[in-house]
Amino acid sequence: ILNVEQSPQSLHVQEGDSTNFTCSFPSSNFYALHWYRWETAKSPEALFVMTLNGDEKKKGRISATLNTKEGYSYLYIKGSQPEDSATYLCAPFSGSARQLTFGSGTQLTVLP
Amino acid sequence: DTAVSQTPKYLVTQMGNDKSIKCEQNLGHDTMYWYKQDSKKFLKIMFSYNNKELIINETVPNRFSPKSPDKAHLNLHINSLELGDSAVYFCASNLQGAYGYTFGSGTRLTVV
Repeated sequence: ILNVEQSPQSLHVQEGDSTNFTCSFPSSNFYALHWYRWETAKSPEALFVMTLNGDEKKKGRISATLNTKEGYSYLYIKGSQPEDSATYLCAPFSGSARQLTFGSGTQLTVLP
Repeated sequence: DTAVSQTPKYLVTQMGNDKSIKCEQNLGHDTMYWYKQDSKKFLKIMFSYNNKELIINETVPNRFSPKSPDKAHLNLHINSLELGDSAVYFCASNLQGAYGYTFGSGTRLTVV
């Protein structure tokens, strides 16, 4: 079982603020890094799957970067909206575990 | 609709009973998974399965067993249910490789 850490655990921001969260994971045996968005009473939805060191992906106002050598990824949300309120999960897929291991998530609340 | 569907959505049962949760995907994915959401809301992998290999998380009690009649289905069978089995169980699927997972809507199991 991999050690995956996400910070902060929770975050409150005002509508319009930009924000970012961190995911750290073991860099050895790295294969891919997933980000998911999980709204209350729904199921997790895939945002990004990243594999290459230095990779950057973007979907609308949300983007993510990946550093596989030091074992971290950042998720950025530009101009947060109330509908962005959710828990954001990262999950590395390692060659040794051969499975996704989820972090505990960052719970984002965007206040109108 | 293309999706991962789980049934039932809610399951209340007595200690000692045997129960199954069904999962079906019509996405043409080749790998399916069962996750347990624990009391701290972590998603913990229980099983991953494709037509070649079953990977079992060693912390899962052997009262839990996955059953796959075909590659579109991965059911979860639980024998001799215990109070501590109460949780939300999520099924997921993907195409093996660097692709995001599609999750079902979850089954809330309550053992009384």
